[in-house]
Amino acid sequence: DTEVTQTPKHLVMGMTNKKSLKCEQHMGHRAMYWYKQKAKKPPELMFVYSYEKLSINESVPSRFSPECPNSSLLNLHLHALQPEDSALYLCASSGLAGGHGSYNEQFFGPGTRLTVL
Amino acid sequence: EDKVVQSPLSLVVHEGDTVTLNCSYEVTNFRSLLWYKQEKKAPTFLFMLTSSGIEKKSGRLSSILDKKELFSILNITATQTGDSAVYLCAPYHSGGSNYKLTFGKGTLLTVNP
Repeated sequence: DTEVTQTPKHLVMGMTNKKSLKCEQHMGHRAMYWYKQKAKKPPELMFVYSYEKLSINESVPSRFSPECPNSSLLNLHLHALQPEDSALYLCASSGLAGGHGSYNEQFFGPGTRLTVL
Repeated sequence: EDKVVQSPLSLVVHEGDTVTLNCSYEVTNFRSLLWYKQEKKAPTFLFMLTSSGIEKKSGRLSSILDKKELFSILNITATQTGDSAVYLCAPYHSGGSNYKLTFGKGTLLTVNP
């Protein structure tokens, strides 16, 4: 299985809602990533988890809260978002020794298209 | 500050043409450079380049890295309409103890029939 899955595919939420984005991979990868991508812009890194521990937080506002419950799952909890947070949220994973692919090559999920009203 | 510059930003060609996409970078602790193709959804992996001067090929696509001059090129020969996409380059590098990808703005390639 060389696939990263993300749910939901689309999400519309109000500014007072609490929702979560989910990401799953079964490639044995031990690094997982959240990216935010606005229209016609490249992906921007938000968070990196390595061995289920948060290793990079690119100064992301606290209304985004990542969680890595185990080596296959990555969540992004959303609370009190703003309309400017509307974007495509991409999850990616990359392997370490023994997994599929090299540590550098990141496999991306299809993304969650988030709209904040 | 880390910098990744892709050129051209957009390109329109006819089927059968050959295109060359450029990527220059200035990043800390460079480790490798990745190329991705992005159509409507997530980026899909094309190449990872670690060593200078060694061309990687996959069908009509090829890529090479120059670590001395800090750039990479992606060539597509005999272009097809299905090649229309945004092509992203991303150096894999660290700014401290953690490695990450920093994406360029991409080149939007449009191949007309």
